Amino acid sequence: TQLLEQSPQFLSIQEGENLTVYCNSSSVFSSLQWYRQEPGEGPVLLVTVVTGGEVKKLKRLTFQFGDARKDSSLHITAAQPGDTGLYLCAGISSGSARQLTFGSGTQLTVLP
Amino acid sequence: NAGVTQTPKFRVLKTGQSMTLLCAQDMNHEYMYWYRQDPGMGLRLIHYSVGEGTTAKGEVPDGYNVSRLKKQNFLLGLESAAPSQTSVYFCASSYGDGRLYGYTFGSGTRLTVV
Repeated sequence: TQLLEQSPQFLSIQEGENLTVYCNSSSVFSSLQWYRQEPGEGPVLLVTVVTGGEVKKLKRLTFQFGDARKDSSLHITAAQPGDTGLYLCAGISSGSARQLTFGSGTQLTVLP
Repeated sequence: NAGVTQTPKFRVLKTGQSMTLLCAQDMNHEYMYWYRQDPGMGLRLIHYSVGEGTTAKGEVPDGYNVSRLKKQNFLLGLESAAPSQTSVYFCASSYGDGRLYGYTFGSGTRLTVV
């Protein structure tokens, strides 16, 4: 089983602050995705990164895939209360088993 | 609206009872998946299907069965429910293996086994 470790597990910050969430593994992934989940709903895809070193921006969110394709980070600039939610990273392995493996998530709370 | 629909949204079962969770998608996706989500453990894959008439085991398949008789539907069955199966169950579908375009998830079924 390919494991993805996310840190921190919980994060509570004030509106306007910046934050970074990390997703690490000892395994290589062919692609890595970030999802956001709100209470009572399923995860919603934010971004997919497939190339080592790739950086993608989505408004105030910046996603980076590590050079070795084993880790990723999500950086939020000037967080807003609407950013509150559970952030999940998920990777598809480079091997034959093409299922998505999820990290345990980072619960972000942005206080007004 | 296009997407993944799960029924029911909530259910309470007694230990030993059986039930079927229904997942329907209208995006013509080949791949479909059942996950369970428990606090602090992320989402774990139960079973998946790469096409109509095919199913395969995921990470935590024991106590569950699945069927994919039609491309748009993926059923998850609990033969004899146990308290350890109390969880939130999510169905998802993807275009291909989801590597590029990700998964589309339903809104979940919250199951309590007492």
